[in-house]
Amino acid sequence: EPEVTQTPSHQVTQMGQEVILRCVPISNHLYFYWYRQILGQKVEFLVSFYNNEISEKSEIFDDQFSVERPDGSNFTLKIRSTKLEDSAMYFCASVTGAQYNEQFFGPGTRLTVL
Amino acid sequence: RKEVEQDPGPFNVPEGATVAFNCTYSNSASQSFFWYRQDCRKEPKLLMSVYSSGNEDGRFTAQLNRASQYISLLIRDSKLSDSATYLCVVIETGKSTFGDGTTLTVKP
Repeated sequence: EPEVTQTPSHQVTQMGQEVILRCVPISNHLYFYWYRQILGQKVEFLVSFYNNEISEKSEIFDDQFSVERPDGSNFTLKIRSTKLEDSAMYFCASVTGAQYNEQFFGPGTRLTVL
Repeated sequence: RKEVEQDPGPFNVPEGATVAFNCTYSNSASQSFFWYRQDCRKEPKLLMSVYSSGNEDGRFTAQLNRASQYISLLIRDSKLSDSATYLCVVIETGKSTFGDGTTLTVKP
């Protein structure tokens, strides 16, 4: 069964450093999402991406964040200058067909900012 | 008012019990609705889609009430393996919103 994959599973970085989180969505999916979940808190929408551009973004997704689909398979989230409060689990999700269909999540990347 | 609000929980029930979760949403233009389950420190996994006509999958039944803007999930004959956090998800154009989650613990 096809699945969404994410790398790395755990990333530790120093405050102020740039990180890139990678996702490989399911191959025939068209819509892609990034979420974050701070430990013990709810899953928060960051951004949606379709047809090589951002569809919607939340207030959390400020200028420190960017997304890219550099090739036909990878979908990346970049945080330019990490802060302590960026420590969280980051999930990628992809959707087949219409954007209102069910989302399939990757296993997540745990980001720890020291 | 929160965009998506769930029963706060936690719910602690014995095996075999029936348990129901509710979720309300504020945006009447929301397009689709889902229940996911999340085990500790894992990704959300799709449990079921939610339709106005209601849908059932084994012991699980989901219902959408558009007029009152709420969705529900009913779990019958609960098992130990049902212990998890249940998340309702509401999809608008380009954006999806998760509820805070309701934690269920099923005890022997």
